[in-house]
Amino acid sequence: EGQLVESGGGLVQPGGSLRLSCAASGFALSRHTIHWVRQSPGKGLEYVSAISGDGGWTYYADSVKDRFTVSRDNSKNTLYLEMGSLRSEDMALYYCAKEGAAGYWYYDLWGRGTLVTVSS
Amino acid sequence: EIVLTQSPGTLSLSPGERATLSCRASQSLSTVDIAWYQQNPGQAPRLLIYHTSNRATGIPDRFSGGGSGTEFTLTISRLEPEDFAVYYCQQCGRSPRAFGRGTKVEMK
Repeated sequence: EGQLVESGGGLVQPGGSLRLSCAASGFALSRHTIHWVRQSPGKGLEYVSAISGDGGWTYYADSVKDRFTVSRDNSKNTLYLEMGSLRSEDMALYYCAKEGAAGYWYYDLWGRGTLVTVSS
Repeated sequence: EIVLTQSPGTLSLSPGERATLSCRASQSLSTVDIAWYQQNPGQAPRLLIYHTSNRATGIPDRFSGGGSGTEFTLTISRLEPEDFAVYYCQQCGRSPRAFGRGTKVEMK
């Protein structure tokens, strides 16, 4: 079935940057669109970003547009989320998740998440 | 913007009972647009149902989904101890997309 493992979360000051990674095993990341979804007590589950298998299509939620950048290195079977100009409202558990079917944003495989804390 | 309203917020039931969870959309959706997830404490969401009524791989048949238009339901026919968790509906089809805020199924 495969596995996704996120890393890179941590404590960062407002305005700071962080890079999250999502490593896949058991399947080829290049064949799937992968999403970043975050979860916080205040806002629940939120779509953040996504990237197609070949990297030719990307999506960003309005709340992170121009601050976050998603990319992938298929040779390493790994996805990245570069997060800049971080705000307190970005504080959440960040999951990467595999799209279950092309064009439909339901997710049949999730990682365990990595926690991002934004605080001075 | 589509808003998904889940009700009730909390459902208190006993093992063996039937659970019916509701997800109401602020505008009419296609039946391919709705998915349901289960989340246990400290774990990621797990896909249960997609396209309103299709069970995901490995999901027991006590879980079923239905509905159309603006009203969708997840039914657990007989609650097992491992089913006490939080359940989320999701609009996963055409934009705009959304998640509901969840229904907690707790043991009475």
